[in-house]
Amino acid sequence: AQRVTQPEKLLSVFKGAPVELKCNYSYSGSPELFWYVQYSRQRLQLLLRHISRESIKGFTADLNKGETSFHLKKPFAQEEDSAMYYCALQGGSEKLVFGKGTKLTVNP
Amino acid sequence: ETGVTQSPTHLIKTRGQQVTLRCSSQSGHNTVSWYQQALGQGPQFIFQYYREEENGRGNFPPRFSGLQFPNYSSELNVNALELDDSALYLCASSSSGAGEWETQYFGPGTRLLVL
Repeated sequence: AQRVTQPEKLLSVFKGAPVELKCNYSYSGSPELFWYVQYSRQRLQLLLRHISRESIKGFTADLNKGETSFHLKKPFAQEEDSAMYYCALQGGSEKLVFGKGTKLTVNP
Repeated sequence: ETGVTQSPTHLIKTRGQQVTLRCSSQSGHNTVSWYQQALGQGPQFIFQYYREEENGRGNFPPRFSGLQFPNYSSELNVNALELDDSALYLCASSSSGAGEWETQYFGPGTRLLVL
């Protein structure tokens, strides 16, 4: 079964501090993994996907197949990073399986 | 380029009623996926339509049904509404190529409340 786990419902850091949002997945094949973000009063939007290996808004995520993890990291958090973050998996079909999300708050 | 739009934005229904939610896909997109997002949860896949045919379904009962039209817009219909159907319903469109997965672009959602 495909499953995505985001163990932290809430995460609070100070501006300039490093931030890591955790994501673990369960899938028997080779998944495609994504991070989606939803800023206040905005729609859900793609932040990054692992195959593109991009850094978006200073965020990166590395797929660790051994640990079945896809943690999202940023070295220096900004207040505008405060949002709801969802990790998602796509394996074998075009449906996305989402985690329950982590609400990140960056304090001034 | 026009983004994904959904209507209505909010809706209140009573148990047992039927509801139709609408989605207009982004220009150039031929695939529409529907998701249900209950409070405090991540979006959950309902089904997907590709070129007017259902192309995958999640773990939802048959009273959840859909349509896709020749212009690739889509409808989600829910019959015999239950209290647990109260949620945000998200539509996402993408342009699917053979053997490739394209980014899904989400609409703002329709918030349904069942009383």
